[in-house]
Amino acid sequence: ILNVEQSPQSLHVQEGDSTNFTCSFPSSNFYALHWYRWETAKSPEALFVMTLNGDEKKKGRISATLNTKEGYSYLYIKGSQPEDSATYLCALGTAKIIFGSGTRLSIRP
Amino acid sequence: GAVVSQHPSWVICKSGTSVKIECRSLDFQATTMFWYRQFPKQSLMLMATSNEGSKATYEQGVEKDKFLINHASLTLSTLTVTSAHPEDSSFYICSASAGTFDTEAFFGQGTRLTVV
Repeated sequence: ILNVEQSPQSLHVQEGDSTNFTCSFPSSNFYALHWYRWETAKSPEALFVMTLNGDEKKKGRISATLNTKEGYSYLYIKGSQPEDSATYLCALGTAKIIFGSGTRLSIRP
Repeated sequence: GAVVSQHPSWVICKSGTSVKIECRSLDFQATTMFWYRQFPKQSLMLMATSNEGSKATYEQGVEKDKFLINHASLTLSTLTVTSAHPEDSSFYICSASAGTFDTEAFFGQGTRLTVV
């Protein structure tokens, strides 16, 4: 059974501070890793998909790195804003996606 | 990106009744659709994989007679929760893909089911 773990489970950050969280996964049989931003009652919003060891992706203030050999990915948010409050999901796979438990991020104004 | 529409977005039903949830790909043909369920305070758990024109493949622990999945066309898959009970109350979400492998999947908006 593919096990995707995310930490921390929840995070409270002051507005303007930078933060990061982790996704861990089995390094064998890796194909692709996804990061999603998910707000209640909405579709998960795809942030990044990464496939190669050493991949680094950036979208505005959000960036992600990937290490397939050791089985982890980091998501970074620089200068957190209230609108960054959401659950951030890490997932493995391509079309058939297995999700981690998510990190619930709350930004304090 | 591609658009996937899920309907209804929320539904309340009485215990013992059945509820149908639809997942439509609006601007592409979805060879494969996936159904997920979110348990309280947990992440999205894959329930089943649905391929157009064939029987769905259910994940371990998911009752196929309880959660009926039909994928009769390349743009529509349905999930029917039969004889719903309060423990079936959950958030259900679908995703659709144009391929069976090596293809991105796009998510619907989800359905909040409450069984009273």
